[in-house]
Amino acid sequence: NAGVTQTPKFQVLKTGQSMTLQCAQDMNHEYMSWYRQDPGMGLRLIHYSVGAGITDQGEVPNGYNVSRSTTEDFPLRLLSAAPSQTSVYFCASSYSTGLTEAFFGQGTRLTVV
Amino acid sequence: AQSVTQLDSQVPVFEEAPVELRCNYSSSVSVYLFWYVQYPNQGLQLLLKYLSGSTLVKGINGFEAEFNKSQTSFHLRKPSVHISDTAEYFCAVSDLDLNSGGGADGLTFGKGTHLIIQP
Repeated sequence: NAGVTQTPKFQVLKTGQSMTLQCAQDMNHEYMSWYRQDPGMGLRLIHYSVGAGITDQGEVPNGYNVSRSTTEDFPLRLLSAAPSQTSVYFCASSYSTGLTEAFFGQGTRLTVV
Repeated sequence: AQSVTQLDSQVPVFEEAPVELRCNYSSSVSVYLFWYVQYPNQGLQLLLKYLSGSTLVKGINGFEAEFNKSQTSFHLRKPSVHISDTAEYFCAVSDLDLNSGGGADGLTFGKGTHLIIQP
């Protein structure tokens, strides 16, 4: 059972480049979220989705876009990478809001130079 | 809006000693509380959760936590730690309200506590 799969695991980008972080889950979860993790800052919410075709902004959405065309996939796009976006990115999914466990991917470690 | 405060960013403990990781929360409504663990270079996984009922909840790997509504706390404890418990621990709160600032999962996380086990 794969759970939540994130690709790539590591990426180095030059300032100004764009890229897409992939996230896929095979648990038929409606709820999916993207977080970034920085030292001493914990997890900060970037964007989230409560179902296919529905997305919303979190705490730190600037510089990122998302879309949710299928239940399984929730890609995160960096439009024009900046050094401030150097971070570890986590995708999470859950069956419902609040009551059930959120499942996390292994993370993508992104460095912007 | 809900928020979570983890009072210690780092806790060093000797192996086989007891440990307590502190977590306080604020919310205007009833909450659900979680502890997640992140081992080095991995994603987060659920350690335990409190939804209702007994205020003492038991989780995996011998951890337990106690919900104290009057003190708005949810401290995590283990009576005897092992070197394999070295990890980052995150406390999280959800009040089922998507407008509270949590993600699709409704969770708001604390900044984490790094548990360091010393031999």
